[in-house]
Parts: sequence; C-alpha cells; structure tokens
Amino acid sequence: AQSVSQHNHHVILSEAASLELGCNYSYGGTVNLFWYVQYPGQHLQLLLKYFSGDPLVKGIKGFEAEFIKSKFSFNLRKPSVQWSDTAEYFCAVREFYGQNFVFGPGTRLSVLP
Amino acid sequence: DADVTQTPRNRITKTGKRIMLECSQTKGHDRMYWYRQDPGLGLRLIYYSFDVKDINKGEISDGYSVSRQAQAKFSLSLESAIPNQTALYFCATSSGVDEQYFGPGTRLTVT
Repeated sequence: AQSVSQHNHHVILSEAASLELGCNYSYGGTVNLFWYVQYPGQHLQLLLKYFSGDPLVKGIKGFEAEFIKSKFSFNLRKPSVQWSDTAEYFCAVREFYGQNFVFGPGTRLSVLP
Repeated sequence: DADVTQTPRNRITKTGKRIMLECSQTKGHDRMYWYRQDPGLGLRLIYYSFDVKDINKGEISDGYSVSRQAQAKFSLSLESAIPNQTALYFCATSSGVDEQYFGPGTRLTVT
C-alpha cells in the first residue's frame, strides 16, 4: 500500500527564517501531489498541487514545492515565514487518476514572533 | 456560503449512543469522503463514495457506517460510540481529477 512520510513532527522557527518541510511517498508510478495547510481550529486548505510539467510549483501565500521524481519527494518551502504561518501542514499523494488520497501524518509549524 | 458543510460542529456523547454526522456539498462533485484526524496520525480514511450507488470502506471503517442520500449528502454514523472514537472528523469532496475540498470538521467527544 502506498504510504506518505513527513520528516518532522514539529518545527519551531523564528519569523523571517526559511522553511523546508520534507515529504516522501512510496508509490513508483505517476502521482498527483498536494500540500494542505490546517490553521488552528480550521479545516484543511490547499496550498499547492503538482500534476505534471514544471517540477517547481508555486502556491498561495509565498509557498512553493519541488517534485523530485528520483527521490520520491515533494518538499515544501518558503523563504521567509511569518507568525501567521503557524499551522499544521499535510502532504498528500494520489496515484494518477487513482482512487484515493493518502495523507502524511502532518508537520506542526510554530513560528515565534 | 461554504462549499462543504458539516453538522454538528461539536458533539459530546456517551458510550453506547448512536450518533450521526452529516455532510453536504454544493460543488457538484460525485466523490465524497469521511476522514478522522488524530494527533500525530494525520487523516485516515473511514469511508468513501464515488457516486450515490457506490460506497467503499477505507482503512478504518470498523465501528462506522455511512449513507449517501444524494449526490450532495454523505452521512457518517457511529452505531454504538466508544471513547476511542473521540476525534476530529472531516468530510471532503473531489471531482476525481483535482484536489479534495474539506468541510470545517466535527469535533466528537465520547465519554
């Protein structure tokens, strides 16, 4: 069965620091990749997605992610975090036109003002 | 108005009680999903439905049942609630070729 791992359970950064959250998946075929964010007390919202084409994907709020097929990775980055980025971040993978999404366990990001 | 709504938003119930969580969507999607979220475990799929006549078990369906009343409505039932079903429950929809859209969640506490 497909699995998704996220490298860090909890990341603590100061404002203006750079962010990179790791995501790796196990499926060897073509995949669709997603990053979702969950702000405290809220539902999951899509940050960005990769279906095909340029492996560097830009999303909302200054986030970007890079798909590296050879490493089965889809890491999320942001050059300078803000206090308002405090949230939980989930990586998700779906086999191309597959049945379901598989979510990683999430990474909690705390940004200190 | 929200595209995916869930009721109730919060519920406290006692062990052994039957409870139903409801989900409605206005996105016109065929696919609907129920997940539970537990700290450190991410989202785990309970049930999913690709159309009104199609219901499928997810990875943690034991103790749960669902009903797809219409394209826009998908309900999750706990026939006899137990404390380890205390969690945050999310409904989601998808067109099948794009991302999932999530509801606001239902926080369920079983005492």
